Amino acid sequence: EAGVAQSPRYKIIEKRQSVAFWCNPISGHATLYWYQQILGQGPKLLIQFQNNGVVDDSQLPKDRFSAERLKGVDSTLKIQPAKLEDSAVYLCASSLNLVPFFGPGTRLTVL
Amino acid sequence: AQSVTQPDIHITVSEGASLELRCNYSYGATPYLFWYVQSPGQGLQLLLKYFSGDTLVQGIKGFEAEFKRSQSSFNLRKPSVHWSDAAEYFCAVGALTGGGADGLTFGKGTHLIIQP
Repeated sequence: EAGVAQSPRYKIIEKRQSVAFWCNPISGHATLYWYQQILGQGPKLLIQFQNNGVVDDSQLPKDRFSAERLKGVDSTLKIQPAKLEDSAVYLCASSLNLVPFFGPGTRLTVL
Repeated sequence: AQSVTQPDIHITVSEGASLELRCNYSYGATPYLFWYVQSPGQGLQLLLKYFSGDTLVQGIKGFEAEFKRSQSSFNLRKPSVHWSDAAEYFCAVGALTGGGADGLTFGKGTHLIIQP
């Protein structure tokens, strides 16, 4: 069974630029999550989708972050404009029966 | 609000020795609990999970964890560590809500170092 796929794996941008991350969950998993993991910390939930609807986006900085899951499968997370403090690993996870499985993450560096 | 505390930032263990990583949680409802492991540059790999039933759960790679409701703890153990166990370990808590399962809250992690 293929795991959660994410791209790109690494991205370097300058502050105030925009960036987008892509996630393809495990086939059949209705729930999809985006987490932000800052160096030295545990992952923090940004947004949770159930199929193509948002379940929880209470910790998403909506002035600059947006996410969508239009067809209930793939998802994109966008940051516009990026700030230095957005440097982190962005993890996508999917679950079917309450157990999240994580992708390899995208490491973002904002200069 | 729910929270997870992993009191040990770093732990150093000799190869072949036993291991215990501590995890305490704060949550109003009945939690479900996880341990994940993260190697450098990798995503999170699930070691084990607890939802209900037997409070001692077995996981992959020889790990086990015990849920103690009275102590709000879910400590991870391994009887004999291998050099390949060196990694970052995360404890996480979640709960069921009216809309299904909510996202997990993670601790800050414990960095495990294995001495030869």
